[in-house]
Amino acid sequence: RKEVEQDPGPFNVPEGATVAFNCTYSNSASQSFFWYRQDCRKEPKLLMSVYSSGNEDGRFTAQLNRASQYISLLIRDSKLSDSATYLCVVTGGWGKLQFGAGTQVVVTP
Amino acid sequence: EAGVTQFPSHSVIEKGQTVTLRCDPISGHDNLYWYRRVMGKEIKFLLHFVKESKQDESGMPNNRFLAERTGGTYSTLKVQPAELEDSGVYFCASSQETAVKQYFGPGTRLTVL
Repeated sequence: RKEVEQDPGPFNVPEGATVAFNCTYSNSASQSFFWYRQDCRKEPKLLMSVYSSGNEDGRFTAQLNRASQYISLLIRDSKLSDSATYLCVVTGGWGKLQFGAGTQVVVTP
Repeated sequence: EAGVTQFPSHSVIEKGQTVTLRCDPISGHDNLYWYRRVMGKEIKFLLHFVKESKQDESGMPNNRFLAERTGGTYSTLKVQPAELEDSGVYFCASSQETAVKQYFGPGTRLTVL
């Protein structure tokens, strides 16, 4: 079983619409949770950390459910520039990051 | 502030050859991580340095891979001898403290023919 599971997509989203997706993780000892964004052939870049109480950063909302071990990301008012692969990431021991394979989002005009 | 840099950006070698990848972390970052993404798979952890010491090398695939961080500054990852399955993108990341935001370099794309 993979440490972090994500729906690979693609999620095809009309510009201005809302899209949501989630991931599940297997390591109940994970302490920190993140969403990273990766553009084609680029390095992962931190989009936002995910906190137990849920948190927003502009058009992005992240939620964490520790009991069910899943993390969600919602993007409101999608922009063309939001097209990317979104990586669900949790920490393993000693700060190492465990990545999901990514969810591809394609925002269309 | 300069970000994490990696060299080379691309490397194409033949099976059995040796390749050395270099990573320069953000100045002042004691934590340095190596990750790898092989085609079609998720990014996987290889190892973690704190200054010059290996904190965790549980992700290193086998003894063909050797990582060093002499002096606690830049790090090298040597693959000797390279095999076909070593092809992928090798990312380096650094952070000021453990278990906080990691900044990734642009990666080295390794192709073993």
